[in-house]
Amino acid sequence: DQQVKQNSPSLSVQEGRISILNCDYTNSMFDYFLWYKKYPAEGPTFLISISSIKDKNEDGRFTVFLNKSAKHLSLHIVPSQPGDSAVYFCAASGSSNTGKLIFGQGTTLQVKP
Amino acid sequence: GAGVSQSPSNKVTEKGKDVELRCDPISGHTALYWYRQSLGQGLEFLIYFQGNSAPDKSGLPSDRFSAERTGGSVSTLTIQRTQQEDSAVYLCASRDAGKISPLHFGNGTRLTVT
Repeated sequence: DQQVKQNSPSLSVQEGRISILNCDYTNSMFDYFLWYKKYPAEGPTFLISISSIKDKNEDGRFTVFLNKSAKHLSLHIVPSQPGDSAVYFCAASGSSNTGKLIFGQGTTLQVKP
Repeated sequence: GAGVSQSPSNKVTEKGKDVELRCDPISGHTALYWYRQSLGQGLEFLIYFQGNSAPDKSGLPSDRFSAERTGGSVSTLTIQRTQQEDSAVYLCASRDAGKISPLHFGNGTRLTVT
């Protein structure tokens, strides 16, 4: 039972354009959502998070949107840079203080120069 | 300061052997997690330690898997009688559980069972 789903295994965009990565979840008890970026042979690194009391959180080029009614979140990267090429994981938690995260399968983003 | 450290970075073992994977969390982080990532898959939760509480072992795939955390710091994940399906990258993460904060991951141990 996949509680967090990233239905697009890969995405390719041109440098300077917007990258939109999508994530769906099934558990309405999730109230804390995060995005991680992973380069080969490295551990995932935290990018940005959002609590369920918000619908948008922005940090520089990265913005996360949360649509609770649709159980959907997305990560926007604007403008995209070649260094953004990595695997992106969304993750969700049922309690913002336990940290037991459920991860999606990941989306590989390629930003072409 | 130093991040989460895992050793070894790579481990090749024969089917049926036992292996031990080590994790040194960030100093002061009271919560420690083990995840694994099989080829082409997402991160699968294995086990979670929080302070002196009993660990949450709900993600361990079989009784061949066990983990301990000594002195509230270093953790060891042990896999007994390894099988080929155990081949994966095993990731350790820690966090400061005293506040809302994300997990900080190590670079993982790539386990290959031949």
